Amino acid sequence: DAKTTQPNSMESNEEEPVHLPCNHSTISGTDYIHWYRQLPSQGPEYVIHGLTSNVNNRMASLAIAEDRKSSTLILHRATLRDAAVYYCILRDVNNNAGNMLTFGGGTRLMVKP
Amino acid sequence: DTAVSQTPKYLVTQMGNDKSIKCEQNLGHDTMYWYKQDSKKFLKIMFSYNNKELIINETVPNRFSPKSPDKAHLNLHINSLELGDSAVYFCASSQVAGPEQYFGPGTRLTVT
Repeated sequence: DAKTTQPNSMESNEEEPVHLPCNHSTISGTDYIHWYRQLPSQGPEYVIHGLTSNVNNRMASLAIAEDRKSSTLILHRATLRDAAVYYCILRDVNNNAGNMLTFGGGTRLMVKP
Repeated sequence: DTAVSQTPKYLVTQMGNDKSIKCEQNLGHDTMYWYKQDSKKFLKIMFSYNNKELIINETVPNRFSPKSPDKAHLNLHINSLELGDSAVYFCASSQVAGPEQYFGPGTRLTVT
């Protein structure tokens, strides 16, 4: 699976929107973009995924650049509970035996009250 | 209802021992996984298993072996434990090739 690059950490104020960037310049046409997050002392949790179009769900929005070389996870109103490590992961659905996820370092999001 | 559960939550043992971590999912998924998160917080896939095939990450020592008594369970057996095996181990499940993996709460293994 292709590699992603994320900032090590970001800070946000509570109740403000947060934009978490991810670069994936070597993305292939069959790579889906997945986001997971890991709250302190918990297992990772699925957030959202997309291929080309922007996606929205109850947790977040995913904005994908037109050339697909970057994407942004958007939390519309950060809460203290959103403080976590956010992982951007590429999955090639055509070439991923075992459906395995390859985690990078992620972005540690800190939310200030 | 807990979707993916693991037991025990904490496991402290001595070098050279053999231990097992149990994982159960009640989601009806057909694929289960084991991940390892080391002290630097890097998460690495160890195994992916469904009833048709076992995929092993090539970096996993053969002291580690997954065993699946049925579709809802994937246990992790570790032989001859070493200090470097100390980590948090996460079990996960999904539908085969499904976009969402559901993770358990983790088992913190400490080898002394």
